[in-house]
Amino acid sequence: GAVVSQHPSWVICKSGTSVKIECRSLDFQATTMFWYRQFPKQSLMLMATSNEGSKATYEQGVEKDKFLINHASLTLSTLTVTSAHPEDSSFYICSARFKEAGANVLTFGAGSRLTVL
Amino acid sequence: AQKVTQAQTEISVVEKEDVTLDCVYETRDTTYYLFWYKQPPSGELVFLIRRNSFDEQNEISGRYSWNFQKSTSSFNFTITASQVVDSAVYFCALNPRDSSYKLIFGSGTRLLVRP
Repeated sequence: GAVVSQHPSWVICKSGTSVKIECRSLDFQATTMFWYRQFPKQSLMLMATSNEGSKATYEQGVEKDKFLINHASLTLSTLTVTSAHPEDSSFYICSARFKEAGANVLTFGAGSRLTVL
Repeated sequence: AQKVTQAQTEISVVEKEDVTLDCVYETRDTTYYLFWYKQPPSGELVFLIRRNSFDEQNEISGRYSWNFQKSTSSFNFTITASQVVDSAVYFCALNPRDSSYKLIFGSGTRLLVRP
């Protein structure tokens, strides 16, 4: 089946540093990937849609300059949290769309837990 | 408005009990998809089912079954003979057809199955 890999699975960083999270589709090509954010014991909120070869589409209220998304190839999207602060600590999950039996299906990565000290 | 409501925040059952997780959705679209995902303590999201809005047939997969009622905008999930390994947070999600496959998640229901 289609697998999405995220790396790193967890990261701890100091306030003010930037952190990059990778999302890879391992056995399929993904022209579109999605980045979600989940605070503890809360639901997943869509942050942005990552489009291969073009700019990401951000949801309302998400700072584009804070959360940089790059989708340079058909199998890789990256999310960079710039100048991270403790309030950015969260669980970040990516998903990718692929076709199964003619229908579009979304598959999720295992998530990346970011802790900003 | 596009919205998913999971009114049950937390459910606790004893192993082997049946349990139903409720999901009510709102959408203007006539074509949409509904999903259920399981999130165990490790964090990853495990896909359970996708349902097309035109397919109102109920589905059974092992101990899992889903009841889609378009008339009441509900897509409920039942686990029969629950097991401790079923303990997780379960999310219901809506994918409006015109939204490029973005998912709108409910707030989740935390299920605890006690031995």
